[in-house]
Amino acid sequence: QVQLVESGGGVVQPGMSLRLSCEASGFTFSNYVVHWVRQAPGKGLEWVAVLSYDGTNKLYTDSVRGRFTISRDNSRNTLYLQMDSLRAEDTAVYYCARDRATLTGVSPAFDSWGQGTLVSVSS
Amino acid sequence: SSELTQDPIVSVALGQTVRIACQGDSLRKFYASWYQQKPGQAPVLVIYGKNNRPSGIPDRFSGSSSGNTTSLTITGAQAEDEADYYCSSRGNRDNRVFGGGTKLTVL
Repeated sequence: QVQLVESGGGVVQPGMSLRLSCEASGFTFSNYVVHWVRQAPGKGLEWVAVLSYDGTNKLYTDSVRGRFTISRDNSRNTLYLQMDSLRAEDTAVYYCARDRATLTGVSPAFDSWGQGTLVSVSS
Repeated sequence: SSELTQDPIVSVALGQTVRIACQGDSLRKFYASWYQQKPGQAPVLVIYGKNNRPSGIPDRFSGSSSGNTTSLTITGAQAEDEADYYCSSRGNRDNRVFGGGTKLTVL
């Protein structure tokens, strides 16, 4: 079955870096657009970044652009999120999610999600 | 604007029908999708596209849209439907956006 497993979360101080990983299984990873979505404690879902199936097209939400980098290794069926210059407001559970549509599709949907990994930024 | 707006709290009596709405300009061009999230769990896709349910989602969940508003309808709400519900769609820059979420209480 389709499975996404995140790892790499933890507690870091402001200004430090962290790299999240999301290992995919049960489907052909290289055929899918994938995303990172986060959820701050007690808050709603926030889309963070998206990456095309071949890694050539990527987009970020305004608050992380220039600090976060989304990438993938299709040979390892793995999605990454490199997070630099972390801030307290980046504290959240980070989910990776698969999109059933293309990057420019009119009917996008996150049809599979991982269980999430918690990132806590605190001094 | 890429924002999606949802009512924060909605309640429904057990067995009754409830509609959860989501408004936004992007909904005039792109379909929305709906997610159910229970405490401590990852979100689950319940409706996507015009009105499509993933495998395993009960048929009491349905979707509809008109203009800049999309709605999730639960016909005959069950106790297990109590959860947070989020709409999502595509933004103008191929980004994705979420609504603020609706907390559904089943009385």
